[in-house]
Amino acid sequence: EVQVVESGGDLEQPGGSLRLSCAGSGFSFSTYAMAWVRQAPGRGLEWVSGIGYSAGRTYYADSVKGRFTISRDNSQNMVYLQMHSLRAEDTAVYYCVKIAIGESYWYFDAWGRGTLVSVSS
Amino acid sequence: EIVMTQSPATLSVSPGERATLSCRASQSVSSNFAWYLQKPGQAPRLLIYGASTRATGIPARFSGSGSGTEFTLTISSLQSEDFAVYYCQQYYNWPLTFGGGTKVEIK
Repeated sequence: EVQVVESGGDLEQPGGSLRLSCAGSGFSFSTYAMAWVRQAPGRGLEWVSGIGYSAGRTYYADSVKGRFTISRDNSQNMVYLQMHSLRAEDTAVYYCVKIAIGESYWYFDAWGRGTLVSVSS
Repeated sequence: EIVMTQSPATLSVSPGERATLSCRASQSVSSNFAWYLQKPGQAPRLLIYGASTRATGIPARFSGSGSGTEFTLTISSLQSEDFAVYYCQQYYNWPLTFGGGTKVEIK
């Protein structure tokens, strides 16, 4: 069974940092791109960042560019999202998602349950 | 950035009736288009990709159509488990973008 499981969400002050982790299992992790999608309370979905299967390519939404860094460790089947300079508007549930086909078509066929990041003083 | 606009924001439908949801892209996305369903308290789930292909395990009552800038999700006969929020997404260009969602509620 394909599974992605997030961890690392927490309450952090504005300007602070957090690192989210995502563990993938049940699929050939190193052959799939991965991404993060977030959902602010009561709001819709927003794509945040993506990474190719070899980590050779990374992509970011303008809202997080320069503050967030996505990375992966294929030896551990892990994806990470390092978040710096956190803002109140970063408050959201962060979902780790698996890209359905390698890294060619970026739709998401597996979602984690999400991890909550709250940014508040 | 490609803006995805869903309509209506809320759709009230009786169980067993047909529901039609729309999504418009601000520029052509060809068929690089997906639909997702999200139930309260749950993560979204992939319904349709390539504008019209049902994902694994999705019942035949869900169908997707369209290409370019206009897309439609049709649920032929609504079941109780279908009342949820539906999102569209384009994966034609960066950044990847979602629509604002359509909530399908019980009439």
